[in-house]
Amino acid sequence: DADVTQTPRNRITKTGKRIMLECSQTKGHDRMYWYRQDPGLGLRLIYYSFDVKDINKGEISDGYSVSRQAQAKFSLSLESAIPNQTALYFCATSDSDSHSNQPQHFGDGTRLSIL
Amino acid sequence: LAKTTQPISMDSYEGQEVNITCSHNNIATNDYITWYQQFPSQGPRFIIQGYKTKVTNEVASLFIPADRKSSTLSLPRVSLSDTAVYYCLVGDPNTGGFKTIFGAGTRLFVKA
Repeated sequence: DADVTQTPRNRITKTGKRIMLECSQTKGHDRMYWYRQDPGLGLRLIYYSFDVKDINKGEISDGYSVSRQAQAKFSLSLESAIPNQTALYFCATSDSDSHSNQPQHFGDGTRLSIL
Repeated sequence: LAKTTQPISMDSYEGQEVNITCSHNNIATNDYITWYQQFPSQGPRFIIQGYKTKVTNEVASLFIPADRKSSTLSLPRVSLSDTAVYYCLVGDPNTGGFKTIFGAGTRLFVKA
């Protein structure tokens, strides 16, 4: 979805480095999410945020942190990267209409390699 | 936390109808069923969502039996460009977050 932008698209770095992946959206959605995907597997939820003051851990939050700087921005940090965090990372957004279940809109991903 | 089970892979030919069934025996009362499509090196894309009976849009149909313990995504007259991974998710994004798990999905391969 072109309205959900992830930067960088690709990153190669070394073990122990601090890395930040950024996500910005122009959809005006309140909810934002970070997932990782490993080869041949589905997506696993790392963190999610329902609004600027709300941050929640997902299924696999260990080794990661997030910051919701504004409604439109949600960044994911790896404080000290390790090789098993090599994966494809996706950011997603969704609306918060309480009268229906809104689908998620995904960015095109950041491919992160940790050597 | 509702889990889903779907076939790992399916093959089809252009022009055929494809039905992918997902089992979700522990679905909760407030859970919706949502299907996504993912192409290589792209994020998943929403296809269709439903709660019960049948839902149809310009891309697909979703059939949900009365007990809601399974659902079937139906893709009419597939083309080569429908080759992708299809994910079935069950959950209620409005309570406690979207904690449902994207499983491995069903890898659909459409042949000419």
